[in-house]
Amino acid sequence: GENVEQHPSTLSVQEGDSAVIKCTYSDSASNYFPWYKQELGKGPQLIIDIRSNVGEKKDQRIAVTLNKTAKHFSLHITETQPEDSAVYFCAASKSGTYKYIFGTGTRLKVLA
Amino acid sequence: KAGVTQTPRYLIKTRGQQVTLSCSPISGHRSVSWYQQTPGQGLQFLFEYFSETQRNKGNFPGRFSGRQFSNSRSEMNVSTLELGDSALYLCASSLDAGGNSPLHFGNGTRLTVT
Repeated sequence: GENVEQHPSTLSVQEGDSAVIKCTYSDSASNYFPWYKQELGKGPQLIIDIRSNVGEKKDQRIAVTLNKTAKHFSLHITETQPEDSAVYFCAASKSGTYKYIFGTGTRLKVLA
Repeated sequence: KAGVTQTPRYLIKTRGQQVTLSCSPISGHRSVSWYQQTPGQGLQFLFEYFSETQRNKGNFPGRFSGRQFSNSRSEMNVSTLELGDSALYLCASSLDAGGNSPLHFGNGTRLTVT
């Protein structure tokens, strides 16, 4: 069945270092890959997304890369700050299904 | 523009009871989805509605149902509650129902079944 694997489950980095979270999807027809940040007591918030016709997208300190052949996509956060501490979820969806398959989440801790 | 609003924020129910959760989407968004979030299973898709029609349903028992009104507001209902239904229920809205437009989540309803 459809599945998205996400690694690592927890990640601790020093403030100013980079953080990388990786996801692998099973359905090769998936064509949209968003990343969400969830803070305590709140719902997930979209931070960046990428579509299957693009290999990389960047927004300030955040970037996402997509390798369709390997069915991998990754989130890169540079110059991490304490406010980046949260749980991050990757997801995959394909047109016409109206649903997202989410990864299991990565708890990122940025140590000051 | 106001975000997705979910009510109530917290609910405590007893096994066997039923519960109704409410969601108001972002103005102009016609697609509303529901997800169940638990520590063990993560975010699981429940169902999606567009223009009052259910377009897709996840692998949940028939005790879980939903509906969407003409103003795009949505409700979900869980009947005959079980302890395992304790979870954060998240509603999300999006501009279209193509399955690949960004979801905007509310802050959820925390349901505890005792």
